[in-house]
Amino acid sequence: DVKVTQSSRYLVKRTGEKVFLECVQDMDHENMFWYRQDPGLGLRLIYFSYDVKMKEKGDIPEGYSVSREKKERFSLILESASTNQTSMYLCASSFLNSEQYFGPGTRLTVT
Amino acid sequence: RKEVEQDPGPFNVPEGATVAFNCTYSNSASQSFFWYRQDCRKEPKLLMSVYSSGNEDGRFTAQLNRASQYISLLIRDSKLSDSATYLCVVISNTGGFKTIFGAGTRLFVKA
Repeated sequence: DVKVTQSSRYLVKRTGEKVFLECVQDMDHENMFWYRQDPGLGLRLIYFSYDVKMKEKGDIPEGYSVSREKKERFSLILESASTNQTSMYLCASSFLNSEQYFGPGTRLTVT
Repeated sequence: RKEVEQDPGPFNVPEGATVAFNCTYSNSASQSFFWYRQDCRKEPKLLMSVYSSGNEDGRFTAQLNRASQYISLLIRDSKLSDSATYLCVVISNTGGFKTIFGAGTRLFVKA
């Protein structure tokens, strides 16, 4: 069974704080993804990675950065959190050109 | 035009009804197709892949029409537990690997 885990289910941070969201997968997948999901806007891709130390911008990378130092781990960093980054953050992983498997999500609130 | 389009619904159906969703895609070179299910405040979960010849999994049938560029999901004998949002997913590999999620169709099954 594929397992994707995320470091927190709920997180509350203050404006200006640096925020780290971690994602770990146990299926040796090459690809890993970070999305945010907001009501009425669907899933929006922030960044993805197809290999260790490789990253590609998605549709909404502004205000975010990522790190992939090990194949199983993909981190999303909010350098200086803002209230408009309050959202549900979903991590996913996949083999190349295959279906994605999602973690349970982190509901981030920035106050 | 969006790359992947779904009717947002909601579809309100009684238990036992048959309901069908369509999803259109714009890239004729798309190569892999999936349906996901997402419950309220949870992560998307893979429901089924969609094969060219059509495929069935219990009460669920998925079909692909390449000529008209759409995929469909048919749910027979709807259960209360089928209430969820259904997302279609299209993967293409022209000019780079790309996964596109539809915005989802909401289904409510009522007793």
